[in-house]
Amino acid sequence: QKEVEQNSGPLSVPEGAIASLNCTYSDRGSQSFFWYRQYSGKSPELIMFIYSNGDKEDGRFTAQLNKASQYVSLLIRDSQPSDSATYLCAVSMNTGFQKLVFGTGTRLLVSP
Amino acid sequence: DGGITQSPKYLFRKEGQNVTLSCEQNLNHDAMYWYRQDPGQGLRLIYYSQIVNDFQKGDIAEGYSVSREKKESFPLTVTSAQKNPTAFYLCASSIPRGPQADTIYFGEGSWLTVV
Repeated sequence: QKEVEQNSGPLSVPEGAIASLNCTYSDRGSQSFFWYRQYSGKSPELIMFIYSNGDKEDGRFTAQLNKASQYVSLLIRDSQPSDSATYLCAVSMNTGFQKLVFGTGTRLLVSP
Repeated sequence: DGGITQSPKYLFRKEGQNVTLSCEQNLNHDAMYWYRQDPGQGLRLIYYSQIVNDFQKGDIAEGYSVSREKKESFPLTVTSAQKNPTAFYLCASSIPRGPQADTIYFGEGSWLTVV
């Protein structure tokens, strides 16, 4: 059973729309949740992290966490073609050393 | 500029050869990591180190070796025992953020191809 699951996509949205990316995780003891953006052939870059239930907003990005349902989502408002990338969800498992476990990513395509 | 530097960016390895990927950081981070990414796959942890002179195996350590003699450096050797080494290798580092988790930052990556 995968520990962190994401729909591989691609998720296609028109420019200016809201893109909604979802991630579920299996370990109820998970403490911290991260979203990374990865352009093709490049390394991941951190977009947001969230620790508590609820919403966290940063510019056009909003992370949402629901620990009871074990999912975390990323909303991108006013999507731009430059947002086209693969978005990786990562979860810090509740082990002695909090190493991240990554999902396989969701590819987002924003069309002009 | 502070950051994580990986070299080389592209590397070709012949069958049976060992190769070493370099990773240097000037962020003064304690923890360093090596991940492997295959096409269409997520990142898988190879090795990690929380402190100088100490490191632990990750999920896919077989065929790899590391050292951590300096805080700034965490080289990865891909040995001939690694059956399928062609992949994108990512070095990362982090600093603890209280009791919650380490926020990990990545270098630009190294592409390794077996020829």
